[in-house]
Amino acid sequence: DIQMTQSPSTLSASVGDRVTITCRASQSVNNWLAWYQQKRGKAPKLLIYKVSNLESGVPSRFSGSGSGTEFTLTISSLQPDDFATYYCQQYNGDWTFGQGTKVEIK
Amino acid sequence: QLQLVESGGGVVQPGRSLRLSCAASGFTFRAYPQHWVRQAPGRGLEWVASLSFDASNTYYADSVKGRFTISRDNSWNTLYLHMNSLRLEDTAVYYCAREGLAAHLHSFDMWGQGTMVTVSS
Repeated sequence: DIQMTQSPSTLSASVGDRVTITCRASQSVNNWLAWYQQKRGKAPKLLIYKVSNLESGVPSRFSGSGSGTEFTLTISSLQPDDFATYYCQQYNGDWTFGQGTKVEIK
Repeated sequence: QLQLVESGGGVVQPGRSLRLSCAASGFTFRAYPQHWVRQAPGRGLEWVASLSFDASNTYYADSVKGRFTISRDNSWNTLYLHMNSLRLEDTAVYYCAREGLAAHLHSFDMWGQGTMVTVSS
């Protein structure tokens, strides 16, 4: 099974900061890589699919990049609504999530 | 209205069974693969099970294989998760999630609100 490792586990940042979250896979995931945002007590929300495609309705400050085994989610200018936990997710025969990165207020 | 609504959660003793349901509306349910994803209290997301659009293919996480069964009724736009031999570690919020199509394939583009399952003696 493919393991997904996100870093950092927690990130303290201020409004307006540029934020980058990294997701590393234990083997290649052939670009089936997605990112989700989850707020406390709510269901996850799809942000990015297939590495770099922005889901409809998601602000353009979110972007995704990477290939093979290393991927990043970037928030270009952190907004108050962005404080949440973020998960990467891969598919390569089965589906696996990273352990999550909590973005908190500095 | 585009939505997935789970039901059937509750408190159950170890070793007992429970069936979750997920009612879909607002889209062509029979065209989409469907999944169950769970989240233990204070923990991350864990994919549980997958079912193809026509119910011909199922996939399970190793942690539930042989105990859980995913099924669907496309006439009633409903997804199910039959959970047998429940363990303490199955305690979680269970989400129904729709797998996207085309470029959205293998990502979950729609989620229900979740239903809580607590396994406790």
